[in-house]
Amino acid sequence: QALLQESGPGLVKPSGTLSLTCNVSSGSITSSHWWSWVRQSPGKGLEWVGRVFHSGVTKYSPSFTGRVSLSVDKSRDQLSLELMSVTAADTGVYYCVRVGFTSGWGDAFDIWGQGTMVTVSS
Amino acid sequence: DIQMTQSPSSLSASVGQRVTITCRASQSITQYLNWYQQKPGKAPRLLIYGASTLHSGAPSRFSGSGSGTDFTLTITSLQPEDFATYFCQESYSSSHNFGQGTKLEIK
Repeated sequence: QALLQESGPGLVKPSGTLSLTCNVSSGSITSSHWWSWVRQSPGKGLEWVGRVFHSGVTKYSPSFTGRVSLSVDKSRDQLSLELMSVTAADTGVYYCVRVGFTSGWGDAFDIWGQGTMVTVSS
Repeated sequence: DIQMTQSPSSLSASVGQRVTITCRASQSITQYLNWYQQKPGKAPRLLIYGASTLHSGAPSRFSGSGSGTDFTLTITSLQPEDFATYFCQESYSSSHNFGQGTKLEIK
């Protein structure tokens, strides 16, 4: 079973770029699964950010489109998230998650990393 | 944007009791509905997908039902480890919206 581990700076300045990585257990990143990021904040609860396939194909939530970029580094078994022009509203726990197989019922998130807390503050 | 509304927001129940949590979508999402359990300080855990399919490893005392706009998560015979917060999530729209959560507490 895939294991996911997020990492990145815990503090980002307003208007800056939030950059996180997620290490995926070896061999899993090129499986048939998509990979997603989900944010949890006190103000907005759980929010889906977007998803990426190992080929580099992405799909973003309309709430984040234009401000977010997801990518895959297969050589490092690593997923990356970049969120630009951050504000205090982007403060929260960011989870790296695997999109499970649901027999056609859309995206369900079946494996989660432990999450990493990011605070946006000067 | 599809709004997901859970009720109640919090619930007190006893071990052994049967509990039902409701999730309502602001428009039809057919059966594109998932349920998660989250314990304090931990990541959410998938319980149910496709409104009624039990995810591998989830206990059989959890069940889901519904279609269209109204859905329920039922826990038969509550166990001590079931006290947690539960979230629904729609996978119908491009936003994959979550409900605000239902906190299940021990009575």
